[in-house]
Amino acid sequence: AQTVTQSQPEMSVQEAETVTLSCTYDTSENNYYLFWYKQPPSRQMILVIRQEAYKQQNATENRFSVNFQKAAKSFSLKISDSQLGDTAMYFCAFIITQGGSEKLVFGKGTKLTVNP
Amino acid sequence: DTGVSQDPRHKITKRGQNVTFRCDPISEHNRLYWYRQTLGQGPEFLTYFQNEAQLEKSRLLSDRFSAERPKGSFSTLEIQRTEQGDSAMYLCASSSGRKQETQYFGPGTRLLVL
Repeated sequence: AQTVTQSQPEMSVQEAETVTLSCTYDTSENNYYLFWYKQPPSRQMILVIRQEAYKQQNATENRFSVNFQKAAKSFSLKISDSQLGDTAMYFCAFIITQGGSEKLVFGKGTKLTVNP
Repeated sequence: DTGVSQDPRHKITKRGQNVTFRCDPISEHNRLYWYRQTLGQGPEFLTYFQNEAQLEKSRLLSDRFSAERPKGSFSTLEIQRTEQGDSAMYLCASSSGRKQETQYFGPGTRLLVL
């Protein structure tokens, strides 16, 4: 089964501090892409960061970085210097290719609140 | 470069009515996806188009659901004889033709069936 598990339904962090969101996944594929998407309240989902599974180097995007452990099937997101605008639902996902089509498989999300 | 747009943003309907949603992808993207998101859950895949061809339909897509992308540009998702269980956010996403490319999401259509 192709699944994504986000074990932290809710988290909170003080402004300017660092927070790590956890994600584990299960797939039998060897080549796949992993994503973190952010969904602010009442706003559309936007891409935060992506990681190619064949790359050992962890992806970084400004204050956002990942810790990708392929053998453990773990893909955590670290947010440094948290800002109030980081308050949102965060979804971990991976893309699978089956029979010529591609689809994202999402976790249930982690609700992150950044407190002033 | 405009993003993915969806119309309407909100729809309230009575059980048994038909509804239709529209999605306009990013102009150069030939892949289009529909997902459904219920409260407290992540999005779930419904269907996928490459150009005008519908390549996959999820088991979530019952016979009451139909999606089209007639000219390989915009897409419509129709739900016939709506049920209260259809209440959800319907998300559209698009991507370029490259393999495993990032999908870009629209703002969604929130459906409430009374």
